Amino acid sequence: DIVLTQSPGTLSLSPGERATLSCRASQSVSNNYLAWYQQKPGQAPRLLIYGASSRATGIPDRFSGSGSGTDFTLSISRLEPEDFAVYYCQQYGGSPYTFGQGTKLEIK
Amino acid sequence: QLQLQESGPGLVKPSETLSLTCTVSGGSISSGGYWWTWVRRPPGKRLEWIGIIHYSGGTYYNPSLKSRVVMSVDTSKDQFSLNLSSLTAADTAVYYCARAVQVTSSSLINYWGQGTLVTVSS
Repeated sequence: DIVLTQSPGTLSLSPGERATLSCRASQSVSNNYLAWYQQKPGQAPRLLIYGASSRATGIPDRFSGSGSGTDFTLSISRLEPEDFAVYYCQQYGGSPYTFGQGTKLEIK
Repeated sequence: QLQLQESGPGLVKPSETLSLTCTVSGGSISSGGYWWTWVRRPPGKRLEWIGIIHYSGGTYYNPSLKSRVVMSVDTSKDQFSLNLSSLTAADTAVYYCARAVQVTSSSLINYWGQGTLVTVSS
């Protein structure tokens, strides 16, 4: 199984700052099939990015994804108050699909 | 607006079988190009993909759970279900149902339910 390791575990930033979240895979992700999800307390996860760099429908352009192979990044250019949440990466290039352990983005 | 809602018991006993149902609204489970998915998150652990089912009945299960999992679909009710047998405390988790869109030979989850907590305890 592909193991995804996210870093940092917690990121403390202020609104308006830039956030950079990392997801590293234990082996290359086929077709760069790497997705990012956002989850707020009590809510369902929401798809942000798929295919490593494509934004899902309705996702603001301050969210961007990059990377290939084993190293992927989610960037949020200017943090809004509603962006503080937990973020998960997931690979869907090889079965079984696997998830990272999550990065909590908290207000500093 | 697509909505998925999990339902089932919040507490089940060890060795028993868990049965969960996901009701789809705002869309048809028979829509082509979609797979219906179960994911869980045990407390303090990462999300774990359980498996997927197509409305035609095709399934793929996580090999780590394959011997204990059965998924089914009821197109007349726009529902799909998860049965997980031989439960232990390690199966305690929040269980999510979700919709995945087919992407070549893979599938991408693009809608999730809110999740339901299932505790395995005597």
